[in-house]
Amino acid sequence: GESVGLHLPTLSVQEGDNSIINCAYSNSASDYFIWYKQESGKGPQFIIDIRSNMDKRQGQRVTVLLNKTVKHLSLQIAATQPGDSAVYFCAENPPNDYKLSFGAGTTVTVRA
Amino acid sequence: NAGVTQTPKFHILKIGQSMTLQCTQDMNHNYMYWYRQDPGMGLKLIYYSVGAGITDKGEVPNGYNVSRSTTEDFPLRLELAAPSQTSVYFCASSSHGASGGAKREQYFGPGTRLTVT
Repeated sequence: GESVGLHLPTLSVQEGDNSIINCAYSNSASDYFIWYKQESGKGPQFIIDIRSNMDKRQGQRVTVLLNKTVKHLSLQIAATQPGDSAVYFCAENPPNDYKLSFGAGTTVTVRA
Repeated sequence: NAGVTQTPKFHILKIGQSMTLQCTQDMNHNYMYWYRQDPGMGLKLIYYSVGAGITDKGEVPNGYNVSRSTTEDFPLRLELAAPSQTSVYFCASSSHGASGGAKREQYFGPGTRLTVT
């Protein structure tokens, strides 16, 4: 099976609310994690990354949380906007590996 | 700086035909990757390259071939196309493929939507 998976395949959010997207990873050796956003008809775009020596990292309106104990990653989007509607992928990378392992993705739909 | 560019954007191929998907990056990245994405699914790695002249298989390499003669270009060749190869193909590049303090982010192109009928 896939080494990285998501708990919920779809998420519907009211505009202005906060969104939380979850991700489980299976490789305990992974020390680098990325969240990507993919809008319809486009390639994935980098949102934020986090290394295993951190528990939390904040960007502009986004926060990534990492729980290594349970191998869980989450992406929080504050004040969700219509432009946040997309598929969100998490990816993991162990040391000395040239490849990222992607999860199946969560589709986020923002309701006006 | 155009980033990662891919051509064509769309293509329809007949069963048994061959074609090459082009990928070029202008960021002087050593690492390049080809993925396929089926509808509603995640990204599956087809092939990757860690530098000019060096390529290696990903998780779904059957039916594809690659070459890397320059740092900038990483074409993907489909031989004897089959309906199962109908997908969206993404090329990506990265400046750092392994561990360390450097970023390991991959930059993606806009994709090629391929239909085999």
